[in-house]
Amino acid sequence: KAGVTQTPRYLIKTRGQQVTLSCSPISGHRSVSWYQQTPGQGLQFLFEYFSETQRNKGNFPGRFSGRQFSNSRSEMNVSTLELGDSALYLCASSVDSAKAFFGQGTRLTVV
Amino acid sequence: AQTVTQSQPEMSVQEAETVTLSCTYDTSESDYYLFWYKQPPSRQMILVIRQEAYKQQNATENRFSVNFQKAAKSFSLKISDSQLGDAAMYFCAYKAGTYKYIFGTGTRLKVLA
Repeated sequence: KAGVTQTPRYLIKTRGQQVTLSCSPISGHRSVSWYQQTPGQGLQFLFEYFSETQRNKGNFPGRFSGRQFSNSRSEMNVSTLELGDSALYLCASSVDSAKAFFGQGTRLTVV
Repeated sequence: AQTVTQSQPEMSVQEAETVTLSCTYDTSESDYYLFWYKQPPSRQMILVIRQEAYKQQNATENRFSVNFQKAAKSFSLKISDSQLGDAAMYFCAYKAGTYKYIFGTGTRLKVLA
């Protein structure tokens, strides 16, 4: 079985721009979660989608949004990028809530 | 609110020796899962071991085992016969039901040859 695939792996954007990150879960997994990882804040939960519905949401501003498609693939969008949005963004998929499998992440650098 | 605490920012172990990484958590839930994830320099988070709170028996996966003390809310990871490939960041995580995962701040493990 293919693992969780995140694209792109690396991204450089300018302040004020917007960005879309993609996550393809393991086949059969309906839950997709997104995390932001930074050296200072560690792993912070962004949101979780299950069967195209947002099930949980973390404490991030409205500039961070996401969605999930009928094939369970998920996208995360960040608008009006700020320098502080530079981070590793990790996606995880799971069949149930009890075991998540992570992708390799997208390294976003905002300049 | 649920919290996960890893009090050891960094640990070192000699190759072939045993090391224990500590994790404590706080929750009012009775049914939940605890995990240890490994993040090597490649950045991909890899599930090392999982423990269901309702199970009294400690989980074991090859050289990795946990010491789960539910009353004390403690969940430590023991790595036996440490190998160079075990060097990584280790994160303790908690999850209850459909709620989000909560991660600790991580422990960097160095394995000395």
